[in-house]
Amino acid sequence: QKEVEQNSGPLSVPEGAIASLNCTYSDRGSQSFFWYRQYSGKSPELIMSIYSNGDKEDGRFTAQLNKASQYVSLLIRDSQPSDSATYLCAVDNYGQNFVFGPGTRLSVLP
Amino acid sequence: EPEVTQTPSHQVTQMGQEVILRCVPISNHLYFYWYRQILGQKVEFLVSFYNNEISEKSEIFDDQFSVERPDGSNFTLKIRSTKLEDSAMYFCASTDARRGYSNNEQFFGPGTRLTVL
Repeated sequence: QKEVEQNSGPLSVPEGAIASLNCTYSDRGSQSFFWYRQYSGKSPELIMSIYSNGDKEDGRFTAQLNKASQYVSLLIRDSQPSDSATYLCAVDNYGQNFVFGPGTRLSVLP
Repeated sequence: EPEVTQTPSHQVTQMGQEVILRCVPISNHLYFYWYRQILGQKVEFLVSFYNNEISEKSEIFDDQFSVERPDGSNFTLKIRSTKLEDSAMYFCASTDARRGYSNNEQFFGPGTRLTVL
């Protein structure tokens, strides 16, 4: 059974700070990784995908992947109250489906 | 920007009744998925669909569930005899398989909230 783990939070950061969200996965063969944002009562919204070791930046978001450690992270710079949501880590299951983590609830305090 | 759409947004039904949840995937996408999310829990995979047939299904997707692509645009999930534990948000997702085998970003619809009484 493939597992994706995240700290459930809540993670509270002040407005303007960097929020760091972490995810670990169990299947060493996993190749593709995704971060989704989910507001309460809404559907997951894709933020970023990452496939290679290292960093990938998109605006205020940076995804980091370390396949040797089976670890993915998402950094949100200059956090805004509108970033308050649950962040879901998803791992591609060999092209068949996504396995989701339980999500980390982020609260950005004004 | 193209998006996945789902109807209805909220469905209330009595236990034992049949429900059909509808989805219109993004038009040039080839792989379609159903996921569910019970309140307060993680998003769980139900079934994937490609080339007019199921390509994979989870343990949750038992004989009470079926999927269909009745025409060129709609993708439906049917639950034959609903149970209380089927109450959840049901999300449809689609992906452009031409991006490659594993590098398939999945785009989610807004979901249908199913309430079984």
